[in-house]
Amino acid sequence: GDSVTQMEGPVTLSEEAFLTINCTYTATGYPSLFWYVQYPGEGLQLLLKATKADDKGSNKGFEATYRKETTSFHLEKGSVQVSDSAVYFCALKRNTGNQFYFGTGTSLTVIP
Amino acid sequence: DGGITQSPKYLFRKEGQNVTLSCEQNLNHDAMYWYRQDPGQGLRLIYYSQIVNDFQKGDIAEGYSVSREKKESFPLTVTSAQKNPTAFYLCASSAHAGTSGTGAYNEQFFGPGTRLTVL
Repeated sequence: GDSVTQMEGPVTLSEEAFLTINCTYTATGYPSLFWYVQYPGEGLQLLLKATKADDKGSNKGFEATYRKETTSFHLEKGSVQVSDSAVYFCALKRNTGNQFYFGTGTSLTVIP
Repeated sequence: DGGITQSPKYLFRKEGQNVTLSCEQNLNHDAMYWYRQDPGQGLRLIYYSQIVNDFQKGDIAEGYSVSREKKESFPLTVTSAQKNPTAFYLCASSAHAGTSGTGAYNEQFFGPGTRLTVL
């Protein structure tokens, strides 16, 4: 069945460091891919998305490219800030059916 | 402002009681979802609904019930049959993309969550 596997956390980085959170997926066809962010005690917020191969989603300095050949959608940011500390979820949705599939989340802590 | 509201933010339940969590959206979305999140874990789907008066079980529906009498509302009842209900509950909604006829939906929008604790 469809699934998402993302990098185990927690991840701790110093401010201004480079961030990569790996995400790979298993799905039939051409799913849409998403990154969500969750701050403590809150719901999830959409960070970025890509709906077809080679699309690059970007927002607030974060980027992820839909790689069909490697079934991956890794999240990157060139210079993290303390305010980026949160849990990040990778997710997919097939073009048929209505279910979304989420990874287990990766906790990021950025220290000054 | 359009969005999804959940209430209450914190809820305490005694063992053996049923409780109902509210979820309302004014985004005119067709689909609505309930997820459960346990500490340090991902989201698990409880129920989802694509249209009024219709809903489907997710991966962990046992001990939960839902209704969808109005497009904007999708309340979740945690029954006494749910043996370990303490968790963070998230409601979400999504719009029908409607462009390709395949039933594709856009991204999900999430509410702020309800933290349920069993005393």
